[in-house]
Amino acid sequence: AQTVTQSQPEMSVQEAETVTLSCTYDTSENNYYLFWYKQPPSRQMILVIRQEAYKQQNATENRFSVNFQKAAKSFSLKISDSQLGDTAMYFCACLNQAGTALIFGKGTTLSVSS
Amino acid sequence: DTGVSQDPRHKITKRGQNVTFRCDPISEHNRLYWYRQTLGQGPEFLTYFQNEAQLEKSRLLSDRFSAERPKGSFSTLEIQRTEQGDSAMYLCASSRSEPPLHFGNGTRLTVT
Repeated sequence: AQTVTQSQPEMSVQEAETVTLSCTYDTSENNYYLFWYKQPPSRQMILVIRQEAYKQQNATENRFSVNFQKAAKSFSLKISDSQLGDTAMYFCACLNQAGTALIFGKGTTLSVSS
Repeated sequence: DTGVSQDPRHKITKRGQNVTFRCDPISEHNRLYWYRQTLGQGPEFLTYFQNEAQLEKSRLLSDRFSAERPKGSFSTLEIQRTEQGDSAMYLCASSRSEPPLHFGNGTRLTVT
């Protein structure tokens, strides 16, 4: 069974600073997908970034980038130049190769202040 | 692409009543997922459909819960004899054969 662990329940950062959210996972599969989703208060779950496990290159989407360490089963999210609109709960998730189950961590609440 | 639609947005019901939620996935998405999310927690996987076939069910999905996707398009999640512990946000997501999953706004259930 897959498990996803986010060890930081809450993080805070000032505008324009950089913050890194941690995630570790466990899976017996060799091929799988990893995601970071953002859920603003009372709003929809939004995809931030994705990583295919077979790709060694770390994914980047504008201010968001990941540090994917397959051997260590680590998948951290770096947010550069933080903005007030980044305030949300962030979830790390792992999808098995068959695509039948996307398993989430418990989330990290990120607060960005001015 | 009009997004994943869920109905109703909110449902308040008395303990012991039955409730049914509906999810309309993005058109042409053959995969559909149901999740339950309690306040401050991550979504918990409930079940997965590929077209009309229910291929995965979590142990969280007790016999009071049933999900259907009769024509491989919309899906329904029914909870029978609701309990206070069923109070949560119920999320639906869909995808093509490849990820990512796209989520709806959810149905918030309150059991009194």
